[in-house]
Amino acid sequence: GENVEQHPSTLSVQEGDSAVIKCTYSDSASNYFPWYKQELGKGPQLIIDIRSNVGEKKDQRIAVTLNKTAKHFSLHITETQPEDSAVYFCAASINTGNQFYFGTGTSLTVIP
Amino acid sequence: GAVVSQHPSWVICKSGTSVKIECRSLDFQATTMFWYRQFPKQSLMLMATSNEGSKATYEQGVEKDKFLINHASLTLSTLTVTSAHPEDSSFYICSAGGGGGYTDTQYFGPGTRLTVL
Repeated sequence: GENVEQHPSTLSVQEGDSAVIKCTYSDSASNYFPWYKQELGKGPQLIIDIRSNVGEKKDQRIAVTLNKTAKHFSLHITETQPEDSAVYFCAASINTGNQFYFGTGTSLTVIP
Repeated sequence: GAVVSQHPSWVICKSGTSVKIECRSLDFQATTMFWYRQFPKQSLMLMATSNEGSKATYEQGVEKDKFLINHASLTLSTLTVTSAHPEDSSFYICSAGGGGGYTDTQYFGPGTRLTVL
């Protein structure tokens, strides 16, 4: 089955700096890659996603890039703010209606 | 937008009792819902796939007699933890979606914190 690896496990940045989280996947059939933000005691919230027919997608301060050949995708957060502090999970799946395989999570801390 | 709710948000029970957790898709129909379990500071672990009108598909190592799943309608799936024990204490999260259109992704519920004394 699919194996998703995520790095780093923890990340601290100064407010205003950029943060980058990277994930790799093993199954070349995976074609949907969402990113979730999870705050303490809450369920994951979708922040951005990308499909395999696109190499990059941006939504304001958040962007995701996908390299199908290398089987890796990354989350980029620019101009970080303290409210960006949370745990971020990447995931991979074959279409959106099937099982999501999650990375191990990255705890992001934005220092004011 | 698509909303998935869970009830209750938290529950505390005595060892040996059964607890039912509901997962509802509020503004869309979901033929498939997923149940996850999450331990502190860990990732989401898929427990089972809930299919409307048929039996759930359980992941390896998940006891189907312990974690009963019922998907009675296109908007409701329930997870019952039977004869709960302290080791069942965890954060349980459901997801639904993937049906195309604006729900062409999965949306997650807010989670249910189960504490077994």
